[in-house]
Amino acid sequence: GAVVSQHPSWVICKSGTSVKIECRSLDFQATTMFWYRQFPKQSLMLMATSNEGSKATYEQGVEKDKFLINHASLTLSTLTVTSAHPEDSSFYICSASGATSIDNEQFFGPGTRLTVL
Amino acid sequence: AQSVTQLGSHVSVSEGALVLLRCNYSSSVPPYLFWYVQYPNQGLQLLLKYTTGATLVKGINGFEAEFKKSETSFHLTKPSAHMSDAAEYFCAVSPNFGNEKLTFGTGTRLTIIP
Repeated sequence: GAVVSQHPSWVICKSGTSVKIECRSLDFQATTMFWYRQFPKQSLMLMATSNEGSKATYEQGVEKDKFLINHASLTLSTLTVTSAHPEDSSFYICSASGATSIDNEQFFGPGTRLTVL
Repeated sequence: AQSVTQLGSHVSVSEGALVLLRCNYSSSVPPYLFWYVQYPNQGLQLLLKYTTGATLVKGINGFEAEFKKSETSFHLTKPSAHMSDAAEYFCAVSPNFGNEKLTFGTGTRLTIIP
């Protein structure tokens, strides 16, 4: 199946700093990418949906100015957590789907664990 | 609105025994249903999906699930557990397949006892 990578796999940062997480589709063109957040022992919660070249669509309750999403190319989307605080510590997972995906299946990255001190 | 409930955050079975992971859903429209597996430090991998047609769906690694509309259930089963099945399993629902939003359950961690 298609491969999606995320970088970094884990990151620790100080409160008030910004962190960028990359999501790449390695062997297909991702027309749509999704960003999820997962707290311990909880569901994956969709944060936003991004289409290449368009502004991301955020779910209700997700701060657009805090979680900046850019999908500038068909193989790369980035999530920037601005002015991070300890409550932003979580596991962030992206997924990608493309026009050539079978039945538009979503392919998931391995996730990025963010810890804000 | 849609929601998914996975009964049992942890399930342990002996190697060779039946695996049964429970999933119930709530959906205001006909659902598409999915099971994903997540191995440590890896992404979610699609095990199987139900869209339309046959209600018994077969997936990879010997897993299957049956869509029961009357019970709003989509339980995952495997006749004989293998050590390699130890992982986290997520049930998910969407109103349409693919680019539509997935709503996930809280996950079930499956442990295989040698």
